[in-house]
Formats: sequence, C-alpha cells, structure tokens
Amino acid sequence: EAQVTQNPRYLITVTGKKLTVTCSQNMNHEYMSWYRQDPGLGLRQIYYSMNVEVTDKGDVPEGYKVSRKEKRNFPLILESPSPNQTSLYFCASSFNTNNYGYTFGSGTRLTVV
Amino acid sequence: KQEVTQIPAALSVPEGENLVLNCSFTDSAIYNLQWFRQDPGKGLTSLLLIQSSQREQTSGRLNASLDKSSGRSTLYIAASQPGDSATYLCAALGGKLIFGQGTELSVKP
Repeated sequence: EAQVTQNPRYLITVTGKKLTVTCSQNMNHEYMSWYRQDPGLGLRQIYYSMNVEVTDKGDVPEGYKVSRKEKRNFPLILESPSPNQTSLYFCASSFNTNNYGYTFGSGTRLTVV
Repeated sequence: KQEVTQIPAALSVPEGENLVLNCSFTDSAIYNLQWFRQDPGKGLTSLLLIQSSQREQTSGRLNASLDKSSGRSTLYIAASQPGDSATYLCAALGGKLIFGQGTELSVKP
C-alpha cells in the first residue's frame, strides 16, 4: 500500500530532551515536507526537501532540523524541544512540488512539558 | 503572498442534504488545488486533486470545481451522511502547499 509512515504517533517528552520523529514513504516521491498544525493557526510548513541531500526552510523552521540522506526517509529532529513545540506534526510527500497531489502521514502528536 | 480562505468555518446539516463548501485563494497562479478530509486528531486524507487546466473533478458523491480567474474552488457533497462529518481542508499549490483553515462539517442523523 502506498503510504507515508510517521513514528511515533504520540510522544510526551520533557523540555530540552532531543527527539526525532521519523517519516518514510514508499512511493519513490522526490518531494517531502513537514508541517505542524495548531488550533487557530492551521497547517504551517516547517521544512521541505526537493530531493536527496536538498533541504530548505519553510515558514516556521526555528527549533527544528531535518535531513534527507535517502529518498524515502525525512526525519524531523528537535534538538532541544520547548513547550511551544507542542503540536500535531504531519509529514507529506509528492512526486514533485507542483503537478501531483500530496500524500500525508497519520500525524505525530507531540507534547513537551 | 498566497492566502487561502474557507467559508463557512463550521456547518451543521441534517442527513441527506446536498451541501457546498467554499474555498478562495488570492493568487490565481496556482498549479493545482487539493481537497482533504481530516477526522479529529487524525491525518489528512486526499479527496480530490484539480489540476490548473481542469474545471472539476468527481469522486463518488464528491465534486470539486476550480475557477482560477475568480480565485475560487467549491466542494459539493451530495446526499450527505453522518460519516461525512469531519473537517474539510482545501490547499492551493503554487510552489508550495498553502492551506485554508478548514470547514468543520457535522451531519446529523
């Protein structure tokens, strides 16, 4: 089944403890992206990657890192999480940025205390 | 800067009604427009993708239209069912995906 898989689905952590949210797609998509969703603010792009070893900042990149060493994987790294990073996170992928639809993962609900 | 607006923010209808959800965007230079469904606390499920050269797309009871010149898209749901209750998001793609705030739909039995 074609899908984007995120792990974990739920995560509670403490301020300052480094964490990684994994994202993997099995559709050979070149483009991958991370979003966060917050009440009243909607979905906002954190980082995106046009292809392997190519990443760039989205609208809200502060406090996050990403890497794209393989085409299928695009992990989101929070080096020192803070409570304002408590949110619902989504990974998405597409063949390219403009001509194809996006497939989203099931989401990771992160709580930082 | 692209802005996407969805009206209404919330909608409650009795089962069986036909309904229309609206999406407007400020920059008509989009490549496509995608409609998603989101159940509470869950992921986004793609419903329909309309390419910029298309006027509409249909899938089952759903029909989405796109009018680039006026900056509008509509999602038509025929014969609504309680299982259609969810938040519906539209997203305009013109270099990156820009989402509206969504319409929360409740279909009452």
